[in-house]
Amino acid sequence: QKEVEQNSGPLSVPEGAIASLNCTYSDRGSQSFFWYRQYSGKSPELIMFIYSNGDKEDGRFTAQLNKASQYVSLLIRDSQPSDSATYLCAVSQGAQKLVFGQGTRLTINP
Amino acid sequence: EAGVAQSPRYKIIEKRQSVAFWCNPISGHATLYWYQQILGQGPKLLIQFQNNGVVDDSQLPKDRFSAERLKGVDSTLKIQPAKLEDSAVYLCASSLSGRAGNEQFFGPGTRLTVL
Repeated sequence: QKEVEQNSGPLSVPEGAIASLNCTYSDRGSQSFFWYRQYSGKSPELIMFIYSNGDKEDGRFTAQLNKASQYVSLLIRDSQPSDSATYLCAVSQGAQKLVFGQGTRLTINP
Repeated sequence: EAGVAQSPRYKIIEKRQSVAFWCNPISGHATLYWYQQILGQGPKLLIQFQNNGVVDDSQLPKDRFSAERLKGVDSTLKIQPAKLEDSAVYLCASSLSGRAGNEQFFGPGTRLTVL
């Protein structure tokens, strides 16, 4: 079992719709959860982080965490073509060591 | 504020050759990370430095990979000898400290191709 699992996609969403990206993790002791966006040929950039169960909103992005189910998700509202990228879920297992999932490739269709 | 700098951006070598990558973190960032990202996968941590000390190198193939961070600033990652499976992008990242919640900022990466 991989430590952090994501559906590799591709996930195709029409412009203006909600894109839903999911991630599960195996270590119950994980403390912090991050979503990174990576454009093709570029390095990852942080979108959001979440520590507590529930939802955290930042503009068009909402991160959701359910520690009991070991599940974290990212919702992107009003999806734009510029949101087309690979989204990486990362989980912190102490001392800021990040374990990344394989990423979900998202395509927003105009 | 200048970002994380890496060089070279691209490198092509033959198997069994050696190669070195350089990273200069954001000024004032105590923690430096080297990641390996194979095409289609997420980044995998190779080594984490706190100032000039190693915090985690559990996934570094120590028979061929080495890294150092002299004076707690710049860092180099070396591969000797390289294998075909080392073809990947090597990402350097830095953060203010190693505490949870500190954002890691990534450099542009070095794309290594081993022939």
